[in-house]
Amino acid sequence: AQKITQTQPGMFVQEKEAVTLDCTYDTSDPSYGLFWYKQPSSGEMIFLIYQGSYDQQNATEGRYSLNFQKARKSANLVISASQLGDSAMYFCAMREGGTGANNLFFGTGTRLTVIP
Amino acid sequence: NAGVTQTPKFRVLKTGQSMTLLCAQDMNHEYMYWYRQDPGMGLRLIHYSVGEGTTAKGEVPDGYNVSRLKKQNFLLGLESAAPSQTSVYFCASSRDIHYGYTFGSGTRLTVV
Repeated sequence: AQKITQTQPGMFVQEKEAVTLDCTYDTSDPSYGLFWYKQPSSGEMIFLIYQGSYDQQNATEGRYSLNFQKARKSANLVISASQLGDSAMYFCAMREGGTGANNLFFGTGTRLTVIP
Repeated sequence: NAGVTQTPKFRVLKTGQSMTLLCAQDMNHEYMYWYRQDPGMGLRLIHYSVGEGTTAKGEVPDGYNVSRLKKQNFLLGLESAAPSQTSVYFCASSRDIHYGYTFGSGTRLTVV
Protein backbone atom coordinates (compact mmCIF):
# COMPACT_ATOMS: atom_id res chain seq x y z
CA ALA A 1 0.00 0.00 0.00
CA GLN A 2 1.13 3.52 -0.75
CA LYS A 3 2.28 5.34 2.34
CA ILE A 4 1.61 8.76 0.83
CA THR A 5 -1.13 9.49 -1.68
CA GLN A 6 -1.51 12.72 -3.61
CA THR A 7 -4.57 12.38 -5.81
CA GLN A 8 -4.25 15.67 -7.70
CA PRO A 9 -1.70 15.42 -10.53
CA GLY A 10 -2.30 19.07 -11.39
CA MET A 11 -4.05 22.08 -9.92
CA PHE A 12 -4.75 25.59 -11.15
CA VAL A 13 -5.33 28.62 -8.98
CA GLN A 14 -5.93 32.26 -9.71
CA GLU A 15 -3.29 34.63 -8.43
CA LYS A 16 -4.10 35.96 -4.92
CA GLU A 17 -6.53 33.12 -4.26
CA ALA A 18 -5.99 30.31 -1.74
CA VAL A 19 -5.44 26.70 -2.83
CA THR A 20 -5.44 23.36 -1.01
CA LEU A 21 -3.22 20.49 -2.08
CA ASP A 22 -4.38 17.12 -0.83
CA CYS A 23 -2.29 14.49 0.92
CA THR A 24 -3.35 11.33 2.69
CA TYR A 25 -1.02 8.96 4.47
CA ASP A 26 -1.02 5.43 5.75
CA THR A 27 0.85 4.30 8.84
CA SER A 28 0.26 2.28 11.97
CA ASP A 29 3.11 3.98 13.79
CA PRO A 30 1.76 6.41 16.43
CA SER A 31 4.83 8.62 16.03
CA TYR A 32 5.37 10.13 12.61
CA GLY A 33 6.15 13.38 10.87
CA LEU A 34 4.64 14.93 7.78
CA PHE A 35 6.49 17.25 5.43
CA TRP A 36 5.76 19.31 2.37
CA TYR A 37 8.41 20.18 -0.20
CA LYS A 38 8.28 22.48 -3.20
CA GLN A 39 10.14 21.74 -6.40
CA PRO A 40 10.22 24.66 -8.85
CA SER A 41 11.17 24.20 -12.48
CA SER A 42 14.82 24.74 -11.55
CA GLY A 43 14.68 21.34 -9.85
CA GLU A 44 15.79 21.91 -6.28
CA MET A 45 13.73 20.57 -3.38
CA ILE A 46 12.66 23.25 -0.92
CA PHE A 47 11.32 22.40 2.52
CA LEU A 48 8.06 24.21 3.30
CA ILE A 49 6.43 22.93 6.45
CA TYR A 50 6.46 20.14 9.03
CA GLN A 51 3.78 18.59 11.24
CA GLY A 52 4.48 16.06 13.97
CA SER A 53 1.88 13.45 14.85
CA TYR A 54 1.70 14.66 18.44
CA ASP A 55 1.49 18.34 17.59
CA GLN A 56 -1.78 19.73 18.89
CA GLN A 57 -1.97 22.66 16.52
CA ASN A 58 -1.77 22.83 12.76
CA ALA A 59 1.62 23.97 11.53
CA THR A 60 1.94 27.34 9.82
CA GLU A 61 4.85 28.97 8.00
CA GLY A 62 4.03 32.31 6.47
CA ARG A 63 1.52 31.74 3.66
CA TYR A 64 1.71 27.97 4.13
CA SER A 65 -0.40 26.05 6.59
CA LEU A 66 -0.93 22.36 7.06
CA ASN A 67 -4.49 21.18 7.65
CA PHE A 68 -3.78 18.12 9.80
CA GLN A 69 -6.73 15.78 10.33
CA LYS A 70 -5.32 12.85 12.23
CA ALA A 71 -8.44 10.69 12.28
CA ARG A 72 -8.78 10.99 8.51
CA LYS A 73 -5.01 10.59 8.01
CA SER A 74 -4.82 13.68 5.90
CA ALA A 75 -2.24 16.46 5.83
CA ASN A 76 -3.35 18.96 3.24
CA LEU A 77 -1.21 21.96 2.36
CA VAL A 78 -2.98 25.30 2.17
CA ILE A 79 -1.31 28.14 0.32
CA SER A 80 -2.95 31.49 0.92
CA ALA A 81 -2.76 34.47 -1.44
CA SER A 82 -1.13 32.53 -4.28
CA GLN A 83 1.72 34.16 -6.16
CA LEU A 84 3.10 33.43 -9.61
CA GLY A 85 6.25 32.12 -7.94
CA ASP A 86 4.20 29.40 -6.27
CA SER A 87 3.92 27.57 -9.60
CA ALA A 88 5.84 24.35 -8.96
CA MET A 89 5.58 20.68 -8.07
CA TYR A 90 4.60 20.02 -4.47
CA PHE A 91 5.46 16.81 -2.66
CA CYS A 92 4.02 15.48 0.55
CA ALA A 93 6.26 13.15 2.56
CA MET A 94 6.12 11.13 5.75
CA ARG A 95 8.66 9.90 8.25
CA GLU A 96 7.67 7.04 10.51
CA GLY A 97 9.01 7.31 14.02
CA GLY A 98 9.89 3.66 14.49
CA THR A 99 12.25 3.28 11.54
CA GLY A 100 15.34 4.63 13.28
CA ALA A 101 16.63 5.85 9.95
CA ASN A 102 14.45 8.87 9.30
CA ASN A 103 13.56 7.67 5.82
CA LEU A 104 11.05 9.90 4.08
CA PHE A 105 8.36 8.38 1.89
CA PHE A 106 7.19 10.72 -0.84
CA GLY A 107 3.98 11.05 -2.75
CA THR A 108 3.88 11.42 -6.52
CA GLY A 109 3.41 15.16 -6.32
CA THR A 110 0.95 17.81 -7.47
CA ARG A 111 1.84 20.35 -10.12
CA LEU A 112 0.42 23.74 -9.17
CA THR A 113 -0.01 26.42 -11.79
CA VAL A 114 -0.84 29.95 -10.68
CA ILE A 115 -2.77 31.90 -13.30
CA PRO A 116 -2.25 35.66 -13.53
CA ASN B 1 26.96 28.39 1.79
CA ALA B 2 26.47 25.36 4.02
CA GLY B 3 24.50 22.56 2.50
CA VAL B 4 24.59 19.48 0.33
CA THR B 5 26.70 19.48 -2.81
CA GLN B 6 26.25 16.95 -5.61
CA THR B 7 28.64 16.36 -8.47
CA PRO B 8 28.26 16.12 -11.36
CA LYS B 9 25.08 18.00 -12.22
CA PHE B 10 24.65 16.32 -15.60
CA ARG B 11 26.06 13.16 -17.11
CA VAL B 12 25.45 11.00 -20.15
CA LEU B 13 26.58 7.39 -19.98
CA LYS B 14 26.58 4.56 -22.46
CA THR B 15 24.95 1.31 -21.47
CA GLY B 16 27.40 -0.79 -19.49
CA GLN B 17 29.59 2.08 -18.34
CA SER B 18 30.20 2.76 -14.69
CA MET B 19 30.24 5.99 -12.72
CA THR B 20 30.13 7.41 -9.22
CA LEU B 21 27.94 10.24 -8.03
CA LEU B 22 29.41 12.29 -5.24
CA CYS B 23 27.50 13.86 -2.38
CA ALA B 24 29.11 16.05 0.26
CA GLN B 25 27.55 17.83 3.22
CA ASP B 26 29.17 20.25 5.63
CA MET B 27 26.48 20.31 8.32
CA ASN B 28 27.83 17.36 10.33
CA HIS B 29 24.62 15.43 9.66
CA GLU B 30 24.52 11.78 10.65
CA TYR B 31 21.94 10.63 8.10
CA MET B 32 22.41 10.68 4.36
CA TYR B 33 20.24 9.41 1.52
CA TRP B 34 20.15 8.82 -2.18
CA TYR B 35 16.84 9.14 -4.02
CA ARG B 36 15.88 8.91 -7.64
CA GLN B 37 13.09 10.93 -9.18
CA ASP B 38 11.19 9.69 -12.19
CA PRO B 39 8.18 11.32 -13.88
CA GLY B 40 4.91 10.41 -12.17
CA MET B 41 6.62 8.40 -9.44
CA GLY B 42 7.85 10.96 -6.97
CA LEU B 43 11.10 10.30 -5.14
CA ARG B 44 12.13 6.78 -4.31
CA LEU B 45 14.82 5.83 -1.83
CA ILE B 46 17.80 3.95 -3.26
CA HIS B 47 20.18 3.62 -0.32
CA TYR B 48 20.75 5.42 2.94
CA SER B 49 23.25 5.74 5.76
CA VAL B 50 22.70 6.39 9.44
CA GLY B 51 26.33 7.19 10.14
CA GLU B 52 29.92 6.90 8.99
CA GLY B 53 30.72 3.39 7.83
CA THR B 54 27.08 2.27 7.63
CA THR B 55 24.82 1.81 4.63
CA ALA B 56 21.45 0.18 4.04
CA LYS B 57 19.12 -0.59 1.15
CA GLY B 58 16.09 1.49 0.41
CA GLU B 59 13.12 0.88 -1.83
CA VAL B 60 14.95 0.54 -5.18
CA PRO B 61 18.57 -0.55 -4.50
CA ASP B 62 19.18 -2.92 -7.43
CA GLY B 63 21.96 -1.84 -9.75
CA TYR B 64 23.45 0.63 -7.26
CA ASN B 65 26.08 0.52 -4.56
CA VAL B 66 27.01 3.11 -1.95
CA SER B 67 29.77 3.92 0.46
CA ARG B 68 30.08 6.22 3.47
CA LEU B 69 33.75 6.13 4.37
CA LYS B 70 33.66 9.66 5.77
CA LYS B 71 30.77 11.25 7.61
CA GLN B 72 30.52 14.14 5.19
CA ASN B 73 30.51 12.09 1.99
CA PHE B 74 28.04 9.60 0.55
CA LEU B 75 28.90 8.02 -2.79
CA LEU B 76 26.46 6.35 -5.18
CA GLY B 77 27.92 3.96 -7.73
CA LEU B 78 26.52 2.44 -10.88
CA GLU B 79 28.65 -0.54 -11.89
CA SER B 80 27.00 -1.24 -15.25
CA ALA B 81 24.60 1.49 -16.28
CA ALA B 82 21.29 0.59 -17.90
CA PRO B 83 18.76 2.83 -19.70
CA SER B 84 16.32 2.18 -16.82
CA GLN B 85 18.70 4.15 -14.60
CA THR B 86 18.06 7.32 -16.56
CA SER B 87 16.72 9.59 -13.87
CA VAL B 88 17.35 12.59 -11.67
CA TYR B 89 19.28 11.64 -8.57
CA PHE B 90 19.00 13.57 -5.33
CA CYS B 91 21.23 13.32 -2.32
CA ALA B 92 19.91 14.51 1.03
CA SER B 93 21.10 14.70 4.60
CA SER B 94 19.39 14.98 7.94
CA ARG B 95 20.52 15.87 11.43
CA ASP B 96 18.44 13.21 13.17
CA ILE B 97 15.02 11.60 13.03
CA HIS B 98 13.20 14.71 14.19
CA TYR B 99 14.32 16.84 11.29
CA GLY B 100 13.54 16.99 7.61
CA TYR B 101 16.03 16.75 4.82
CA THR B 102 18.40 19.17 3.21
CA PHE B 103 18.60 18.26 -0.45
CA GLY B 104 21.34 18.66 -2.99
CA SER B 105 20.54 20.27 -6.32
CA GLY B 106 20.29 16.95 -8.14
CA THR B 107 22.18 15.06 -10.87
CA ARG B 108 20.48 14.45 -14.19
CA LEU B 109 21.77 11.15 -15.56
CA THR B 110 20.99 9.84 -19.01
CA VAL B 111 21.97 6.33 -20.04
CA VAL B 112 21.91 5.71 -23.78
